[in-house]
Amino acid sequence: GAGVSQSPSNKVTEKGKDVELRCDPISGHTALYWYRQRLGQGLEFLIYFQGNSAPDKSGLPSDRFSAERTGESVSTLTIQRTQQEDSAVYLCASSLRVGTVPEAFFGQGTRLTVV
Amino acid sequence: AQTVTQSQPEMSVQEAETVTLSCTYDTSESDYYLFWYKQPPSRQMILVIRQEAYKQQNATENRFSVNFQKAAKSFSLKISDSQLGDAAMYFCAYRSPGAGTYKYIFGTGTRLKVLA
Repeated sequence: GAGVSQSPSNKVTEKGKDVELRCDPISGHTALYWYRQRLGQGLEFLIYFQGNSAPDKSGLPSDRFSAERTGESVSTLTIQRTQQEDSAVYLCASSLRVGTVPEAFFGQGTRLTVV
Repeated sequence: AQTVTQSQPEMSVQEAETVTLSCTYDTSESDYYLFWYKQPPSRQMILVIRQEAYKQQNATENRFSVNFQKAAKSFSLKISDSQLGDAAMYFCAYRSPGAGTYKYIFGTGTRLKVLA
């Protein structure tokens, strides 16, 4: 696609429910990132996928968080048993691994509200 | 581990004036990339400018320029002729170029207000 697409744009869920957030990266981008942005704060790294390599999961805050990516396409971020502190904007980005333009292209994010 | 620090939570500038946003970083790598991203209220992160550490020349994109001081590990953003549309959160980011993880490390951001 033309840009990184994330769905849903907004999600309200009850505490304790599971949620799935989806990210469609730019076609041809081998790297995909998930970040969490709490209200008024910076971007907190969650997980990074690069082709068929093992993902870098070092930023996942707990075992309630998991993510998958199918090849070099769609990724889903799953949060199980959501808690109020999970409320945040979840941003997905994709980039080329190497090259002259290693910038990350971001989606518009999913705003998750846990009530 | 690399870190990025933005010490100015908020800045204000009069329309048409110039403002500089500060960013410092810590790394033991000699080659890397640095970025400034803009995040307006729409949440869309937009790349403003990028700098390769091996290039001594400061990057420039129209009204946006950087002052890259590699030895001091400083990467400030200068916005000239500020416009109302420049109002946003600005994030400084670092990325390693080499093998291993390519994650982007972001600072905590600076909220820029542009006064009419």
